[in-house]
Amino acid sequence: GAVVSQHPSRVICKSGTSVKIECRSLDFQATTMFWYRQFPKKSLMLMATSNEGSKATYEQGVEKDKFLINHASLTLSTLTVTSAHPEDSSFYICSAKTSGRAPYNEQFFGPGTRLTVL
Amino acid sequence: QKEVEQNSGPLSVPEGAIASLNCTYSDRVSQSFFWYRQYSGKSPELIMSIYSNGDKEDGRFTAQLNKASQYVSLLIRDSQPSDSATYLCAVTNTGNQFYFGTGTSLTVIP
Repeated sequence: GAVVSQHPSRVICKSGTSVKIECRSLDFQATTMFWYRQFPKKSLMLMATSNEGSKATYEQGVEKDKFLINHASLTLSTLTVTSAHPEDSSFYICSAKTSGRAPYNEQFFGPGTRLTVL
Repeated sequence: QKEVEQNSGPLSVPEGAIASLNCTYSDRVSQSFFWYRQYSGKSPELIMSIYSNGDKEDGRFTAQLNKASQYVSLLIRDSQPSDSATYLCAVTNTGNQFYFGTGTSLTVIP
């Protein structure tokens, strides 16, 4: 399968700081990437869909000014958690969709970033 | 009605048995179907994709798709303790949006 990397894998920060998470598709170009959040023992929650060269589409209830997404190239999307607070502590996972002919697109996940806000 | 429904489990099977995981979906014109495995504390890993009715086998895994019944399943033969994980079903619609189920927790008992 295709490989998606995510950096950093773990981050601990103080309340009020901003944290940037990078998501890269290593061996394919991804016009569409996704950002998820997952709390312990809970389901994946889609936060936003990121399309290369255009604004991200946020799911209902996700603050676009707090979770800034940039998808500047076909292999890189970034999520910045601005002014992080303890309630933002979670497991953030990105994924990338292959750009093959529909319906044969597949979605591959990065390894995730565990964010802890003190 | 949720787009994709799975029994949350937990499902427990003895080592060596067949584990059967089920998923139903609501959009009759869904096009693509996927099974992901997620170990505790890790991100999901794609293990099977299926696009047409019938069975698709890959090693100990068999995915079964029945579009008329809007049902997709995953069979794991000769279950091993290392198969213990949460299994997520995902479906894409005609707009190529992905919808995930909430996952079924599987425990294989040695």
